[in-house]
Amino acid sequence: DTAVSQTPKYLVTQMGNDKSIKCEQNLGHDTMYWYKQDSKKFLKIMFSYNNKELIINETVPNRFSPKSPDKAHLNLHINSLELGDSAVYFCASSLGTDNQPQHFGDGTRLSIL
Amino acid sequence: QKEVEQNSGPLSVPEGAIASLNCTYSDRGSQSFFWYRQYSGKSPELIMSIYSNGDKEDGRFTAQLNKASQYVSLLIRDSQPSDSATYLCAEGDSWGKLQFGAGTQVVVTP
Repeated sequence: DTAVSQTPKYLVTQMGNDKSIKCEQNLGHDTMYWYKQDSKKFLKIMFSYNNKELIINETVPNRFSPKSPDKAHLNLHINSLELGDSAVYFCASSLGTDNQPQHFGDGTRLSIL
Repeated sequence: QKEVEQNSGPLSVPEGAIASLNCTYSDRGSQSFFWYRQYSGKSPELIMSIYSNGDKEDGRFTAQLNKASQYVSLLIRDSQPSDSATYLCAEGDSWGKLQFGAGTQVVVTP
């Protein structure tokens, strides 16, 4: 039983395309996150939703738009993909926001040609 | 801007020895700290969380927190080849934001 699952696992696409990544958690958590891990392996938060409400919105190009249809799902849509968007995108979830440990999905490796 | 600093390594540890990893953080008000293990090509896996000054032990892992000195450390006792990975230190806040360090690569040599 996968706790935090992301699809797709790999995404290879051309510059300028639009793509989406989906995330689902079955842990009953209220809070979900998107992180980006670049080629230097630095892991940085992008967005967070608590009970479908956006609560963390880091300095990220507005080509990136998250959406949470319910508290078990968090999607990430990326418009007009650029070379610099190549990275691994991780979804995570936690029980709540207040200093809670986070559990990560397996990641989506995005490669822009 | 919060910062979390870790030595990038690699930290080479003989099998059976103790691996000692250190992490310093800049925000005096931080209340939560986490250690994650990340194998190459895999996702970060939570191994320890610590909130109070002192030591916290879980199996072969011990986390140590010193808020006055703003450092948190991780000891891995009886290191095994399967412990070879990158260890990420993170500080959290009440909004759920985790600030990660760059990670320390640990290599356990047989």
